[in-house]
Amino acid sequence: DTAVSQTPKYLVTQMGNDKSIKCEQNLGHDTMYWYKQDSKKFLKIMFSYNNKELIINETVPNRFSPKSPDKAHLNLHINSLELGDSAVYFCASSHIGSPLHFGNGTRLTVT
Amino acid sequence: TQLLEQSPQFLSIQEGENLTVYCNSSSVFSSLQWYRQEPGEGPVLLVTVVTGGEVKKLKRLTFQFGDARKDSSLHITAAQTGDTGLYLCAANSGNTPLVFGKGTRLSVIA
Repeated sequence: DTAVSQTPKYLVTQMGNDKSIKCEQNLGHDTMYWYKQDSKKFLKIMFSYNNKELIINETVPNRFSPKSPDKAHLNLHINSLELGDSAVYFCASSHIGSPLHFGNGTRLTVT
Repeated sequence: TQLLEQSPQFLSIQEGENLTVYCNSSSVFSSLQWYRQEPGEGPVLLVTVVTGGEVKKLKRLTFQFGDARKDSSLHITAAQTGDTGLYLCAANSGNTPLVFGKGTRLSVIA
């Protein structure tokens, strides 16, 4: 009965590869997010979707492309991975303006 | 850009001690939230405060929102080893994106 689930939990890949992270929520929320947490634990928003529509797109390289096939899913595809992309990526969901429910993160390591 | 400054960045205390961590900004917020994050997991909401001067209690944790809605504090009484974790404050105005502070990493030693 996991509320926000993201896969995989760990992802190790080489520079230049393309990878995807999947996220699903079963809370009935209308808004989903991707956050990036760096090595110093700073959480920074990347994208936000409300009812499958992109509403927030912070300054993120266009190698990152979110896709929301429906309100319960928000996937993140990353092209041409770079060393600096190594981080923990968190998916979250909420009703807009309400507190966030986070997944347990995907630790991406680019070598 | 709304910035949230958290202090201290690191805190290591003995079990049974009291502590206070702070979250400060020059911006006014409509709501402020505190989350706790444990290793290998996502942040989990502890509390939301919305009214200036508001105080909320969660067992041994006391949260206060500043009168001007620019800052907040979290006080833990008689800390336990289970309180160990990263404490994050986050805030927004209206429907703007939630902005997080850099967190206070608390370590409670038995």
